[in-house]
Amino acid sequence: AQKITQTQPGMFVQEKEAVTLDCTYDTSDPSYGLFWYKQPSSGEMIFLIYQGSYDQQNATEGRYSLNFQKARKSANLVISASQLGDSAMYFCAMSPRNTPLVFGKGTRLSVIA
Amino acid sequence: NAGVTQTPKFQVLKTGQSMTLQCAQDMNHEYMSWYRQDPGMGLRLIHYSVGAGITDQGEVPNGYNVSRSTTEDFPLRLLSAAPSQTSVYFCASSSYGTVTSNQPQHFGDGTRLSIL
Repeated sequence: AQKITQTQPGMFVQEKEAVTLDCTYDTSDPSYGLFWYKQPSSGEMIFLIYQGSYDQQNATEGRYSLNFQKARKSANLVISASQLGDSAMYFCAMSPRNTPLVFGKGTRLSVIA
Repeated sequence: NAGVTQTPKFQVLKTGQSMTLQCAQDMNHEYMSWYRQDPGMGLRLIHYSVGAGITDQGEVPNGYNVSRSTTEDFPLRLLSAAPSQTSVYFCASSSYGTVTSNQPQHFGDGTRLSIL
């Protein structure tokens, strides 16, 4: 069975600092995709970044980067230069071969001015 | 762009009532899914469909029915509502299996359902 673990229920970060949100996953399928989603207080799910299991380089999207360590089965999200608008819930998710996303329980990030 | 449209946005039901949560997408996506979100639990998969006429159960299917008669629509039915089904429900769609693509799932805005 596939499983996503996010061990940080809540995180605080100072504005303009970088923060790392942890995510580990478990799957026996060699082919999978890893995703991060942001959910602000308004409730919508916003796609941030994707990493394929065969991708050689870590994914980056603007201020977001994914620290992918395949041997450790970890896919941590790094947000650089945090902004007040980054305060939200963040979900790590995995899609094994041709199946819907499996989500972790999320991390609530609070950015402090 | 409509994307994934869920209706209603809010609903209050009494225990034992039935209702259907509607989900429609206009992107011609084959894959559609229903999730429920409860505090501290993340999103859990209820049912999903890989194409018209094909559905399968997810992690928490009990108490819910689905059907997929068209590519566009994927309604979720609560046959006899229970307080444990109080939750926020999300519908999502994607063009195909998300493994080898960077095409993410597109989510609707959610339906907040309360069962009294």
